[in-house]
Amino acid sequence: GENVEQHPSTLSVQEGDSAVIKCTYSDSASNYFPWYKQELGKRPQLIIDIRSNVGEKKDQRIAVTLNKTAKHFSLHITETQPEDSAVYFCAAGNYQLIWGAGTKLIIKP
Amino acid sequence: DGGITQSPKYLFRKEGQNVTLSCEQNLNHDAMYWYRQDPGQGLRLIYYSQIVNDFQKGDIAEGYSVSREKKESFPLTVTSAQKNPTAFYLCASTKLTGLNQPQHFGDGTRLSIL
Repeated sequence: GENVEQHPSTLSVQEGDSAVIKCTYSDSASNYFPWYKQELGKRPQLIIDIRSNVGEKKDQRIAVTLNKTAKHFSLHITETQPEDSAVYFCAAGNYQLIWGAGTKLIIKP
Repeated sequence: DGGITQSPKYLFRKEGQNVTLSCEQNLNHDAMYWYRQDPGQGLRLIYYSQIVNDFQKGDIAEGYSVSREKKESFPLTVTSAQKNPTAFYLCASTKLTGLNQPQHFGDGTRLSIL
């Protein structure tokens, strides 16, 4: 079946440094690529999304890039802060989403 | 205040018992979804519904059942056939009009076996 691979599973960065999380998807028909942040025991919350007609999107310290040819998209967080610590999920699809397994981001003070 | 309400927050199931998780939304969204999340893992789709009185199985539907009698409501029943029900269950919804819309989530129900 279709799948989304997400790497790394855990990422530890120094406060103020950048963090990059990468996802690869298998379904070439996917046109929608959201990123969600989930804090422990809480609901996933959308932080940024990108559609297939766009290669890059930025919102303050967060950016997402998409390479449809390679079926690859990435989340970039700059100037990381302690409140960025959470699990981040990527997803790909259209009406239905296929989810990555998540990346636990740890921001070291 | 618009949103998705899941209840209860915590639920305990006895052996052989069916339990029902509630999901209500007042966002006027067309599609609703149920996901299961196990510790340290991503979201796996159980069932989804794009319109009232219609629903489709997701990747892990065995041992679960749903109904969609009203646009606002999409309850999930965890039956006794689901042998490993302990997990965090998340309900989500999205607009269908306009493809590629974000999914909005409820706060989840944590189900455990007694």
